[in-house]
Amino acid sequence: RKEVEQDPGPFNVPEGATVAFNCTYSNSASQSFFWYRQDCRKEPKLLMSVYSSGNEDGRFTAQLNRASQYISLLIRDSKLSDSATYLCVVNRYFGNEKLTFGTGTRLTIIP
Amino acid sequence: DAGITQSPRHKVTETGTPVTLRCHQTENHRYMYWYRQDPGHGLRLIHYSYGVKDTDKGEVSDGYSVSRSKTEDFLLTLESATSSQTSVYFCAISDGRGNEKLFFGSGTQLSVL
Repeated sequence: RKEVEQDPGPFNVPEGATVAFNCTYSNSASQSFFWYRQDCRKEPKLLMSVYSSGNEDGRFTAQLNRASQYISLLIRDSKLSDSATYLCVVNRYFGNEKLTFGTGTRLTIIP
Repeated sequence: DAGITQSPRHKVTETGTPVTLRCHQTENHRYMYWYRQDPGHGLRLIHYSYGVKDTDKGEVSDGYSVSRSKTEDFLLTLESATSSQTSVYFCAISDGRGNEKLFFGSGTQLSVL
């Protein structure tokens, strides 16, 4: 079983809709969680960290469910510019060199 | 955007030739990383550096070496390129080690024929 698993998609969603996707992780000792965004043929960029209590940044909400070992990303009022691949990143340890990246979920927002 | 430059942006080479990729940063960040990204795999760490002349192996280090003689430059060398090293290579930097935000360069598309 992969350490971090994501549904590759694609998720094709009409503009203005709400979309959510999950990422599951295998190691219950995982400590840190992040969502990165990667546009086509571009570098990944940090979208948001995921905190135990859940956190929100504008239209984006990230949540952590430790009992079921998954994190989620919800995007409200989706924009065309939200089209990208969303990478789930998990760390069992302290240190960036221990980060595990998911393969990503591809999202396309349709006009 | 963080000041990270990767060169070259694209390279085509033949099996068995040495290849060096360069990552240059203007942020004075201590930590630098080399990743590769392949379909079906998440980003995988090749090598990283925690200071000048201080480097360590990552998950997929076989066939790669690195050097960091200055804070701003981190070089990745494929001693004898193989077709399995065809990939997109990303350099990243961070100010701290402890799950600090990673800033990525624009990537190098390497094709080994």
